[in-house]
Parts: sequence; C-alpha cells; structure tokens
Amino acid sequence: QKEVEQDPGPLSVPEGAIVSLNCTYSNSAFQYFMWYRQYSRKGPELLMYTYSSGNKEDGRFTAQVDKSSKYISLFIRDSQPSDSATYLCAVYNFNKFYFGSGTKLNVKP
Amino acid sequence: SQTIHQWPATLVQPVGSPLSLECTVEGTSNPNLYWYRQAAGRGLQLLFYSVGIGQISSEVPQNLSASRPQDRQFILSSKKLLLSDSGFYLCAWSVNPGELFFGEGSRLTVL
Repeated sequence: QKEVEQDPGPLSVPEGAIVSLNCTYSNSAFQYFMWYRQYSRKGPELLMYTYSSGNKEDGRFTAQVDKSSKYISLFIRDSQPSDSATYLCAVYNFNKFYFGSGTKLNVKP
Repeated sequence: SQTIHQWPATLVQPVGSPLSLECTVEGTSNPNLYWYRQAAGRGLQLLFYSVGIGQISSEVPQNLSASRPQDRQFILSSKKLLLSDSGFYLCAWSVNPGELFFGEGSRLTVL
C-alpha cells in the first residue's frame, strides 16, 4: 500500500473558480502534511505544510487535514491562469518524505 | 538565505555509460539530503537520503549509488546506465520536518 494516494486529474477549471485537490494517506502516525506546486520541467516548490490536523491558510491557499479519515486537501480560491501546474501532496515520517503522483491543474482564462 | 544547486541540468548518455550528478546546498548546516527520481507523468520516487556525512540510506535497489563526501554535498552515481534510468532527478534538502526544498532538477535521457 502506498503511503499517499492522489487523484491524478487532470483538472480543468475557469479562472476565478475554487479548486479542491485531495489526497489520502495510509499511516495514522503521519504528523506532517505538505503541498507542493510543480511547473513543467521545474523542481517542486513547497506551498505550505500543516502539522497534525486542522486548517492552515496562506493567501488564496488553504490546506486542510482530517486525521479521522486520513484525508488531506488543498483549496485554491479565485484561481488564476498562473496557478496552472501540477500539485503534489506529501507526508513526512522518520526523515522520509513520501509524495502522491500529482494532480495536473489547468485554469482557463 | 538557503540555496541549492544541482548540475548538470540536462544530459544525454548512451546505455552502459557512467553517471555523476552533483548537488550542493548553501546557507544551512547539517541538512538531511535526498535524491528523488520523477519518471514522465509520474510522482516522485525516493532513491536515497542522508542524515550526515557518509551516511546513506537506499530506498530502491538498482544500479544507482549515492555518496555524501561533505556536509552539504550529495552525489548520485552509476557505473553503467540502463534505459530505465531515464528521468528527472531531483536533489532536495531539509532541516525541519514538513519542509523539504528542491533543486531545479537534472533531466537524464539514456539512449
């Protein structure tokens, strides 16, 4: 069983839409949950991370962790064409970071 | 501020040739260092990680190896490349749980 599973998409939305990206994870011991954005042919960029459960907000981005269902989400408000990228979720445990396969997002002008 | 440098950015190698990818981190001490591989359209596969000089943990048995000769230097090597080694190789560093920072990557094509 993979440590983290992610909806592969692709996801296409109009500019201004609210985007919801989701992952599930396997081990209830995971405490750190991350979201990355990756543009084509570039290294992933850390958007935000949360510790344990709850929400964390940074501008138009909100990360949410539900430990009871082992579900992590990233919400993007007022999506922009510049948000078009692949989004990867990740979990951390004992010096190792495990990544989902990524969801490709396209925001249409 | 911390920066990570990875090179070469792009390389094309014949099957059976050797490989050396290098990564250095600036602006931090005693980071954990990582090598990941990303195949086309797929997620990130952890290959190796290191928590200190000379300490290497291998996640995937294959014809690749890693070394950490200095605190902020991480090297990925192969003696003989296979076609299946083609991919996007990413070096990364971390000093805090939940924060992993990547370099720009090295795109390897094995022909």
